[in-house]
Amino acid sequence: GAVVSQHPSRVICKSGTSVKIECRSLDFQATTMFWYRQFPKQSLMLMATSNEGSKATYEQGVEKDKFLINHASLTLSTLTVTSAHPEDSSFYICSARFLVEYTDTQYFGPGTRLTVL
Amino acid sequence: LAKTTQPISMDSYEGQEVNITCSHNNIATNDYITWYQQFPSQGPRFIIQGYKTKVTNEVASLFIPADRKSSTLSLPRVSLSDTAVYYCLVGPNTGGFKTIFGAGTRLFVKA
Repeated sequence: GAVVSQHPSRVICKSGTSVKIECRSLDFQATTMFWYRQFPKQSLMLMATSNEGSKATYEQGVEKDKFLINHASLTLSTLTVTSAHPEDSSFYICSARFLVEYTDTQYFGPGTRLTVL
Repeated sequence: LAKTTQPISMDSYEGQEVNITCSHNNIATNDYITWYQQFPSQGPRFIIQGYKTKVTNEVASLFIPADRKSSTLSLPRVSLSDTAVYYCLVGPNTGGFKTIFGAGTRLFVKA
């Protein structure tokens, strides 16, 4: 079964509004979660690494003030797209690494489709 | 971070075995090789992970030669539902290590 969930699965918003996406690890504690963005027909692009209890680490070119990440607990990380614009429309995917059967493996959420009008 | 190279796309027919090869010439000693499958509008799904030689699970096999500079994902008897993008990733499997995706291989299975 799924070990990482995301909410909402789909969101449509008006330009200028902020949107919050939740990522939860189910049955596991995740000290580190990752946020990716994927445009149509392209690969996943890492946006940031979310660390529980500390500031997120953003990849080069990703605006930290636009994409706010909060990792308040070992099972929840949130990504807030502030003042969203049409170019922020994308598929956002979170992931977390878990130790499963002695193997440290990265599992991904189902993704959130954001459409900014 | 070890860079990976995969074929952009592959075609196959139902029932055939499909082998997707990934090159990772600068793989490090503590790097593992992991393959993911992604369907449209879904998050990637873990398929298999290995370090050396051969790993097999219920869905696939992973072959890694002694020099570990490449790896081959083998999908036995593919079906239409195996049409997806397959990603090969290389890196240490430690908690904080970030995973960078390459372009992946688009597999199209035909009837």
